This record gives sequence, C-alpha cells and structure tokens, in this order.
Amino acid sequence: AQKVTQAQTEISVVEKEDVTLDCVYETRDTTYYLFWYKQPPSGELVFLIRRNSFDEQNEISGRYSWNFQKSTSSFNFTITASQVVDSAVYFCALNIGSSYKLIFGSGTRLLVRP
Amino acid sequence: KAGVTQTPRYLIKTRGQQVTLSCSPISGHRSVSWYQQTPGQGLQFLFEYFSETQRNKGNFPGRFSGRQFSNSRSEMNVSTLELGDSALYLCASSGSLAAGAGETQYFGPGTRLLVL
Repeated sequence: AQKVTQAQTEISVVEKEDVTLDCVYETRDTTYYLFWYKQPPSGELVFLIRRNSFDEQNEISGRYSWNFQKSTSSFNFTITASQVVDSAVYFCALNIGSSYKLIFGSGTRLLVRP
Repeated sequence: KAGVTQTPRYLIKTRGQQVTLSCSPISGHRSVSWYQQTPGQGLQFLFEYFSETQRNKGNFPGRFSGRQFSNSRSEMNVSTLELGDSALYLCASSGSLAAGAGETQYFGPGTRLLVL
C-alpha cells in the first residue's frame, strides 16, 4: 500500500525563521515520484517541486530547499528566512510509476507571523 | 499560457439534486484528473482521463462520474447529492505527449460545492 505522512499538522514561526516541513512516504514500488504543493487560502494547489525515485540529489530554489532520503523514505521541505507570504497549507504527494493518481499527505498548515 | 480553469467556482445545491462541474486543462495537456478535498478526508483522487478514456478511478461510489471530450475538456457529475459531498473539487491537467504516470499535475482553482 502507498501512503504519505505529514506528522506536523500546524507550524507557527516568526518571520525570518527557518522552517522544515516533514514528509514520510511508503511504497514498495521502485519507480515513484514525489511532489510538494502549496495551497494558499484561495484554494488552488500550486506546484513546487517534482522528484523521481532515482534522483536523490537535494534541490535548492531560492529560499526553498528539499532533502530527499530514500534510506528513511523522507522528502523534507525547508523554507529559509520565512516570509508572511509563505503562510499556506503545504502538501506532500506520492505517485507510483504504474498509476496516474497522486496520493496526498494530510498537509501541514504553516503560519508565518510578522 | 493560461492555467487550468474550472467552472463554476461556487455552487450551492440541495440533497438529492445532481451537479456537473467543468474543467478546461492547460492548452496542449491531454490528461485531466479530479480530486475531492474535505476537512475530514483530505485530498482524495476521484478519476483520471486521457484521450477521452478513463484510466484510473478512485474509491468513490457510482454517483460520481466523469467524462472527457475530444478537446481534452472534462466534466464530472455527481448525482443524488448527499450532505457529505460538500467539498472543494479540484481538477488537474498534465501530459503534453504520452501523459505517463509521474508527470506533474497542475491544478485549477477548484469548485466549492455546498450541499444543503
């Protein structure tokens, strides 16, 4: 069975703090894809990153960075120097190679206070 | 390029009625997926269409159905609405070519359905 766990329901930080959102996934497939999406209050899911199971390189995009570790089945997301505009719900999702659906975690609500 | 568009954005229905939601994918995308988001169940996959064919279906009752047209636009229909169908319904598109598994799905703004 495939599953995504985001254990942190809600995180509150003060602006400029660094924050890490955890994501742990379960799958027996060797080919799979991991995603992060941001959902602001408007409701639309905004794509942030896609990673396949064969690429364990960490990625940095501006203030965002992602740490993919197959050994611990984790795909964590770090925001450096957080800003109020980062406040949103963040979802981690899994797609296995033989399916067309995304399996989402329950999401982490991030509140960045000024 | 325009993003995924969904209509209507908001809808209020009563129990027992039926509803049709529409989704226009990003130009050139041929795969359309639908998801239901509720506070209790989170984001759940409904179904996925590619070239007018349903390739994947989630665990939802038969009251939930969908279709895709030759221009890749998709509709989903919910018949005999129940209170529990109140949710945000999100459509996503992907796949400019073969639209294989693992391609990035780009989401629309969603349709908020309230069933009274």
